[in-house]
Amino acid sequence: GNSVTQMEGPVTLSEEAFLTINCTYTATGYPSLFWYVQYPGEGLQLLLKATKADDKGSNKGFEATYRKETTSFHLEKGSVQVSDSAVYFCAPASNTGKLIFGQGTTLQVKP
Amino acid sequence: NAGVTQTPKFRILKIGQSMTLQCTQDMNHNYMYWYRQDPGMGLKLIYYSVGAGITDKGEVPNGYNVSRSTTEDFPLRLELAAPSQTSVYFCASGQTLDSPLHFGNGTRLTVT
Repeated sequence: GNSVTQMEGPVTLSEEAFLTINCTYTATGYPSLFWYVQYPGEGLQLLLKATKADDKGSNKGFEATYRKETTSFHLEKGSVQVSDSAVYFCAPASNTGKLIFGQGTTLQVKP
Repeated sequence: NAGVTQTPKFRILKIGQSMTLQCTQDMNHNYMYWYRQDPGMGLKLIYYSVGAGITDKGEVPNGYNVSRSTTEDFPLRLELAAPSQTSVYFCASGQTLDSPLHFGNGTRLTVT
């Protein structure tokens, strides 16, 4: 099945710093790719998505580009805020229904 | 729009007790999932369903059972609660295989 490897956290940054969270995937075919965010005490929610190679997903200042050549979908933000502190999950869609998540990456932004 | 609704929000069980975690969605999604999340850890897939009447095991199904008699509901049953089942449980649903998932707000379960 499809799977993902994310950089280990926690990632600790100062406010206004540049963020990159690496994500590489293994998949059959070219499934849609997603980044989810989990704020403390909440469930996951979709942050952004890309449905085909070279697509760029973006939302709330975050961006990620679907790179077929490197099987990557790295998450970036130019200037993080304290409110971005959360756990971020990268996930490819499943072609069978068995959707497995990685361990997530915790981001801590300090003022 | 309710989305994915989980009940209860919190529950404390004694070892050996049983309970059912409820999950319902009002989006007519075919795909539904149960995950558990241990403190500081990622999500582990317990069971999933690709449509009414169809369920399948995920990564960590032992100690749990599910049923999917309707499109809307996907209850998770714990028969003999054990301390290792202390966790936060999330239900999720998706419209198609290529769609993003919608998550509930979770059920925090403690087994003592």
